[in-house]
Amino acid sequence: GDSVTQMEGPVTLSEEAFLTINCTYTATGYPSLFWYVQYPGEGLQLLLKATKADDKGSNKGFEATYRKETTSFHLEKGSVQVSDSAVYFCALISSGSARQLTFGSGTQLTVLP
Amino acid sequence: GAGVSQSPRYKVTKRGQDVALRCDPISGHVSLYWYRQALGQGPEFLTYFNYEAQQDKSGLPNDRFSAERPEGSISTLTIQRTEQRDSAMYRCASSVRTSGRTETQYFGPGTRLLVL
Repeated sequence: GDSVTQMEGPVTLSEEAFLTINCTYTATGYPSLFWYVQYPGEGLQLLLKATKADDKGSNKGFEATYRKETTSFHLEKGSVQVSDSAVYFCALISSGSARQLTFGSGTQLTVLP
Repeated sequence: GAGVSQSPRYKVTKRGQDVALRCDPISGHVSLYWYRQALGQGPEFLTYFNYEAQQDKSGLPNDRFSAERPEGSISTLTIQRTEQRDSAMYRCASSVRTSGRTETQYFGPGTRLLVL
């Protein structure tokens, strides 16, 4: 079945550091890929998405590129801020009959001033 | 505009009691999804609806769990004879069009259920 594997956290960075959160997936066909973010005390929010190979999703300085050859969708940001502290979830919707999101286990990011 | 809302936000109940969790999707959204999230994990799919029709309930863990969306808008997830293992965050999401792999799902704040 479908699955998503994220790098384990927690991740602690200093402000303005470079961020990478690794995400790899297993799915049939051509899934769509998503990053969701959960800020403290809030619900899940879509951060970015990509729906086909080589697409790059971007939002709020974050980027992720859909790499079919490596089945990966790594999240990157060039300079993190304290306000980026949150839990980040990688997820997919497969191209089969399933319509639900399959999530990774989440990566806790803490950015220190 | 208003996002997805869920109520109650927190629910504490005793083992064996029934609970009903409510989800009010974004107005006009066709598809509605329920997920369950254990502490430290990502959400896991329970069931989803297109309009009032339940399209997939393969994620419901057992027959104590049921969901409905009778008028194609508000949905209720019901857990009968609750058990301690049912304690989790229950999340609802909705999407604009009939569910598809490119559709963005918008999530509500969740209902935290604690079964004592």
